[in-house]
Amino acid sequence: DAGVIQSPRHEVTEMGQEVTLRCKPISGHNSLFWYRQTMMRGLELLIYFNNNVPIDDSGMPEDRFSAKMPNASFSTLKIQPSEPRDSAVYFCASSPGGTGGSYEQYFGPGTRLTVT
Amino acid sequence: QKEVEQNSGPLSVPEGAIASLNCTYSDRVSQSFFWYRQYSGKSPELIMSIYSNGDKEDGRFTAQLNKASQYVSLLIRDSQPSDSATYLCAVKGPRRSGNTGKLIFGQGTTLQVKP
Repeated sequence: DAGVIQSPRHEVTEMGQEVTLRCKPISGHNSLFWYRQTMMRGLELLIYFNNNVPIDDSGMPEDRFSAKMPNASFSTLKIQPSEPRDSAVYFCASSPGGTGGSYEQYFGPGTRLTVT
Repeated sequence: QKEVEQNSGPLSVPEGAIASLNCTYSDRVSQSFFWYRQYSGKSPELIMSIYSNGDKEDGRFTAQLNKASQYVSLLIRDSQPSDSATYLCAVKGPRRSGNTGKLIFGQGTTLQVKP
């Protein structure tokens, strides 16, 4: 079975440019999570969706960040304009979302973003 | 107080020994607990979940949960160099308005298994 798919795997961009990260969750999972990981701050939850609806975006750093989930099989995280401090690894994870009581999250391979 | 706390380590154990990784959490009514393993440069990988007090064993891994003490641990028996990684503890709180699956992660403990 395919796991969570993320693209691109690596992104290098210049400050001020728009960056779009993409995620395809595991088929049948109801919840999708976007995380950011840095050495200094560890793993931070940015936003999560349940049944394509944003539930909690309190972790989104500022208005430069936005996320969408237009359907059950696709989500995007956009940064516009990007800044060097946005450099991090961005993970997408999905979860069955409580079906049968399971809240286990499964992570994609991540996108390593470098903003110069 | 952080919601989920782990000693960052590194925890160093010799090959073949038992590695004990600990995690405490602040929300007394938390319901579900998870251990993830993250190799350097890779994504977190779920290795154990536990929901009830007591022990849960899976191969060389044993998760232990004590809700009264708000404590969850992971034991790795017969540690191997390939177990060297960062281990993340994650906790799910009770179902509240808007909380439909959010996990709170600890900072992780780095384990080094020396040959």
